[in-house]
Amino acid sequence: DSGVTQTPKHLITATGQRVTLRCSPRSGDLSVYWYQQSLDQGLQFLIQYYNGEERAKGNILERFSAQQFPDLHSELNLSSLELGDSALYFCASSPRLADTQYFGPGTRLTVL
Amino acid sequence: AQSVSQHNHHVILSEAASLELGCNYSYGGTVNLFWYVQYPGQHLQLLLKYFSGDPLVKGIKGFEAEFIKSKFSFNLRKPSVQWSDTAEYFCAVDFYNQGGKLIFGQGTELSVKP
Repeated sequence: DSGVTQTPKHLITATGQRVTLRCSPRSGDLSVYWYQQSLDQGLQFLIQYYNGEERAKGNILERFSAQQFPDLHSELNLSSLELGDSALYFCASSPRLADTQYFGPGTRLTVL
Repeated sequence: AQSVSQHNHHVILSEAASLELGCNYSYGGTVNLFWYVQYPGQHLQLLLKYFSGDPLVKGIKGFEAEFIKSKFSFNLRKPSVQWSDTAEYFCAVDFYNQGGKLIFGQGTELSVKP
């Protein structure tokens, strides 16, 4: 157990819908990262927050957005869902920038 | 753009065989290097990491890795694999100018036959 929690574990939804994935970092970690894992793209970085501020953006679609709240938990919002958005979404946290990242168990999203 | 390359997509070994998984990365600057393991149905777990110092690093479960700066490589090794090592292994690089995000290799699926 890394100490990073993610909810829900599984999510099944339909195309066009909107979902929210939640992540609670390890106690004391200020930085939160979101990654997408799919069979064709592998593990891809989406977005990073540090102490409430967006720090870096990767291959994140405009339909996706995220935020980090004052208690440091983070949410990833996915809207206008498409079949291709089906993937495993991981959250990771680290104490500081450029430090070891610890991964949560992931949320498996299935878009039907 | 920075990239990470893992040489082998799928490796099949018998128990007690030695393992070496290759990882190369682009870019010649300062990097932090990681190997993560993902057991079937589970999340990524840190095996070992290199930030600085001794280029030979030891991790959990008998794994080690060697950083060779001149070759931009960070290969993972284990002298004797066990059936329980069956998993997918990911090399990841934190390129300093990327602000901490990790670039992952494609992953290597290791199957160990009992």
